[in-house]
Amino acid sequence: GDSVTQMEGPVTLSEEAFLTINCTYTATGYPSLFWYVQYPGEGLQLLLKATKADDKGSNKGFEATYRKETTSFHLEKGSVQVSDSAVYFCALSDLNNFNKFYFGSGTKLNVKP
Amino acid sequence: DGGITQSPKYLFRKEGQNVTLSCEQNLNHDAMYWYRQDPGQGLRLIYYSQIVNDFQKGDIAEGYSVSREKKESFPLTVTSAQKNPTAFYLCASTPGQAVFQPQHFGDGTRLSIL
Repeated sequence: GDSVTQMEGPVTLSEEAFLTINCTYTATGYPSLFWYVQYPGEGLQLLLKATKADDKGSNKGFEATYRKETTSFHLEKGSVQVSDSAVYFCALSDLNNFNKFYFGSGTKLNVKP
Repeated sequence: DGGITQSPKYLFRKEGQNVTLSCEQNLNHDAMYWYRQDPGQGLRLIYYSQIVNDFQKGDIAEGYSVSREKKESFPLTVTSAQKNPTAFYLCASTPGQAVFQPQHFGDGTRLSIL
């Protein structure tokens, strides 16, 4: 079945540090991939997405590239800010099982000034 | 602006009581979902509905029930059969038949036991 695996957190970084949060997936078909961000007490907000192999999603300085050969969709940011502190979720939707989404367990990011 | 509204933001349940969480969307989306989130955990799918008057069980449907009488509404009832209901509940929606579209989420309802 489909699944998403994320690196465990929390990840603690100093402001302006480089961020990588690893995400790998298993899918039976041709998934679309997403990164969501969740701030305390709120729902999930879409951060970026990629719908086919080699696509790069980007938003607010965050980037992730859909790598079919390694079944990965790692989230990166060159210089994090305190305001980036949140929980990040990797997710997929599968063409063979559309309208059903699979989420990773989330990675908490703490950015210190 | 279009979006998903969940209410109430906080809810308390007594032993043996059923409670209903509201989810309303004005995005004209066909598909709607309910997830449960426990502290430090990911999202687990409770129920989902792809069209009015139709819904399917997710991974943890026991102790929950839903209805989908209108396109914009997808209420979740947490029944007394759910023995550990304390969690954060999230409602989401997507356009129908739109494989490449992300889910849109409400701001959640936090349910606690009195």
